[in-house]
Amino acid sequence: AQSVAQPEDQVNVAEGNPLTVKCTYSVSGNPYLFWYVQYPNRGLQFLLKYITGDNLVKGSYGFEAEFNKSQTSFHLKKPSALVSDSALYFCAVRARISGNTPLVFGKGTRLSVIA
Amino acid sequence: GAVVSQHPSWVICKSGTSVKIECRSLDFQATTMFWYRQFPKQSLMLMATSNEGSKATYEQGVEKDKFLINHASLTLSTLTVTSAHPEDSSFYICSARGGIDSEQFFGPGTRLTVL
Repeated sequence: AQSVAQPEDQVNVAEGNPLTVKCTYSVSGNPYLFWYVQYPNRGLQFLLKYITGDNLVKGSYGFEAEFNKSQTSFHLKKPSALVSDSALYFCAVRARISGNTPLVFGKGTRLSVIA
Repeated sequence: GAVVSQHPSWVICKSGTSVKIECRSLDFQATTMFWYRQFPKQSLMLMATSNEGSKATYEQGVEKDKFLINHASLTLSTLTVTSAHPEDSSFYICSARGGIDSEQFFGPGTRLTVL
């Protein structure tokens, strides 16, 4: 079975500082990995994904994530945080194996960027 | 990216009534649709997976007679919460995928409040 762990419920960072939101996964075979962001009472917005290729993936709004197969991690990063980045962030995984396998989400990490 | 819409965006109903939520893929054909439920400050929990023209596959613990899912066309899936009770109050999010290896796109969500 596939699963995602986001070990931090809350991450606080000062505006302008780099941020990291952690994610580890468990899946059979090679994974599809995703990051989504959710603002209050809104649906999920896609940030970035890793399918294959370069381990460093660049996405929307200046975010990037690094796939580390040995550590089964896919941490989300941004060099300089903005107050507007404050939101709920979800890591998700889907097994590469074909079929109707849905995205499985972590519990989410609330990011708070302080001015 | 592809667009998924949900209607209504929010609904308030009395206990015992049924509520129907629509999910549409606006610019692609969704062979598979997923329904998620999200409680406040929690992650998305997969409720069911549906393929066009087939019966939905429900996750363990989800009552199929309570949450009726219909995926009658390649652009429309509906979730009907039957005989709703206050504990059914939640944020319901649908997601659609165009094919087995296609990306999963999310609707904006429907906030259901049962009085």
